[in-house]
Amino acid sequence: DAKTTQPTSMDCAEGRAANLPCNHSTISGNEYVYWYRQIHSQGPQYIIHGLKNNETNEMASLIITEDRKSSTLILPHATLRDTAVYYCIITGNQFYFGTGTSLTVIP
Amino acid sequence: DAGVIQSPRHEVTEMGQEVTLRCKPISGHDYLFWYRQTMMRGLELLIYFNNNVPIDDSGMPEDRFSAKMPNASFSTLKIQPSEPRDSAVYFCASSRERLAGGSYNEQFFGPGTRLTVL
Repeated sequence: DAKTTQPTSMDCAEGRAANLPCNHSTISGNEYVYWYRQIHSQGPQYIIHGLKNNETNEMASLIITEDRKSSTLILPHATLRDTAVYYCIITGNQFYFGTGTSLTVIP
Repeated sequence: DAGVIQSPRHEVTEMGQEVTLRCKPISGHDYLFWYRQTMMRGLELLIYFNNNVPIDDSGMPEDRFSAKMPNASFSTLKIQPSEPRDSAVYFCASSRERLAGGSYNEQFFGPGTRLTVL
């Protein structure tokens, strides 16, 4: 399965959009991009997933480039409760979470 | 539904002892996953089941680790004998059947079991 590369940490001002990038240059045609987040020491929480098209739900938007080699998770109006570690994962038959991006939302 | 239930929440044991972690998935979910999380290695998939059958155990670190799912509502992860390097948080997750297009459904994670092996 494809692996992902994410920045180790990011900051975002409260109320602003948080844009979290993810590189997955070795993704294959039938693999999906998933995003989860983990708040403090809780279990990870599903956010969104997609294959080719951009996706939006009540939590976030997912933008996938046309070549599918990278994607961006957008939290449109970040709040303090969005401070968490965000994982971008590619799934075929494996779920490789890695170490994710630690997002800190600053008041 | 109460969500995914894991027990115990905390376990402290001595090296060489047997450790058994337990998981009750959400009713109606077809998939069950076991993960291990450490600071050094992040969140790693150990094994997952589909309809109680192990599908992929390539993440199980060594023969000291074993997992079973005797029925749709219960799974165990056993470490025998335990070693200090097994200290980690172990998460269980479950999900419904895969979607029509082949994507996996969202996984619902339990609160985890924090294992400390002295």
